[in-house]
Amino acid sequence: QVQLQESGPGLVKPSGTLSLTCAVSGDSISSTNWWNWVRQPPGKGLEWIGEIDHSGRTNYNPSLRSRVTISVDKSKNQFSLRLNSVTAADTAVYYCVRWGGDTNWFDPWGQGTLVTVSS
Amino acid sequence: QSVLTQPPSVSGAPGQRVTISCTGSSSIFGARFDVHWYQQLQGAAPKLLIFRNTNRPSGVPDRFSGSKSGTSASLAISGLQAEDGADYYCQSYATSLSGHVFGTGTKVTVL
Repeated sequence: QVQLQESGPGLVKPSGTLSLTCAVSGDSISSTNWWNWVRQPPGKGLEWIGEIDHSGRTNYNPSLRSRVTISVDKSKNQFSLRLNSVTAADTAVYYCVRWGGDTNWFDPWGQGTLVTVSS
Repeated sequence: QSVLTQPPSVSGAPGQRVTISCTGSSSIFGARFDVHWYQQLQGAAPKLLIFRNTNRPSGVPDRFSGSKSGTSASLAISGLQAEDGADYYCQSYATSLSGHVFGTGTKVTVL
């Protein structure tokens, strides 16, 4: 059973950097899948942030591209998100999720972690 | 900003049938790209509900069904049950953005 688990600080100061890690179990980060981040502001809809594959190729949402970096750590079987210059608008639940290289849909999802941007 | 439009809410009594539309431009809903649907219960992560327009993963009740035609897709829930009250999102790939997109989301209320 594949499981994803987000971790990282729940509070980030404005203008700071949001950093999250997603630990993957039951699948190899080196597989043919793409590893994604999706966020959901309180009371709002889902927004795709970006993705990375095992070789380090990335795709980012154009609206966030200038502030986002997604990286992979094969030795720890995990991938990470960095979002810099954050504002209150970046307050959201952040989910990590697998995009199947063979299936081509999002499954499974991590449970999500709330990150609040506040001083 | 989302390029997939859904109605903000739909409602129905137990046992009734409700449908949720998901509409996008031709740059998104080409013949090549599939639509998937996700269910999000209150306080939980989204869960895959329908994949490749019409297919249900194992464990999803057959009262859920999906369809796609031209530049729109639909999710139908037949025999609505109390536990179907949730938010539902469509999702596809946008060539214009070179990335994945989600619909605006629809809240289903069981009266």
